[in-house]
Amino acid sequence: KQEVTQIPAALSVPEGENLVLNCSFTDSAIYNLQWFRQDPGKGLTSLLLIQSSQREQTSGRLNASLDKSSGRSTLYIAASQPGDSATYLCAVTDQGGKLIFGQGTELSVKP
Amino acid sequence: NAGVTQTPKFQVLKTGQSMTLQCAQDMNHNSMYWYRQDPGMGLRLIYYSASEGTTDKGEVPNGYNVSRLNKREFSLRLESAAPSQTSVYFCASSEVTGATEAFFGQGTRLTVV
Repeated sequence: KQEVTQIPAALSVPEGENLVLNCSFTDSAIYNLQWFRQDPGKGLTSLLLIQSSQREQTSGRLNASLDKSSGRSTLYIAASQPGDSATYLCAVTDQGGKLIFGQGTELSVKP
Repeated sequence: NAGVTQTPKFQVLKTGQSMTLQCAQDMNHNSMYWYRQDPGMGLRLIYYSASEGTTDKGEVPNGYNVSRLNKREFSLRLESAAPSQTSVYFCASSEVTGATEAFFGQGTRLTVV
């Protein structure tokens, strides 16, 4: 059974810091891994998708890496801003087509 | 550019009542999903449909039924609502091969009293 774990559960940093969010999964047989952002009371917005054959993806200040063999992904946020405050979730698509989520990391960036 | 549309956005039910949550996507995706989100529990998969005509149980299917009406629409039914089903429900769609990102609706906040 695929399980996805995110560490830490919560993180508070001062504005301008670079930070790393971690995601691990137990079964390496995946189609892809995605990182999402969720603002309070809102739906999920996709940030980055990494196909199983890829090692990383970048979008602006965000960089996500994937090491499928070790079951790990990281989301790197450069020069954090208060507007980055949100919950970040990672999810894997398994070989059966299920999209399975971790419990998220709640990020707070202080001005 | 509607994406994934869920209705209703809010609902209050009495214990034992039934209701159907509707979801429609306009991106021609094969896969559709229903999740519930509870504080401290993350998103838990209730049911999913890899393609039109197929449905499969997820992690927490008890108390729910689904219908993949056509490629666009995937509905979630609560036959006899219980307070434990108070939650925020999200519908999502993607391609089964994982070749594209998943898109989510804005959620339905359901309270069962």
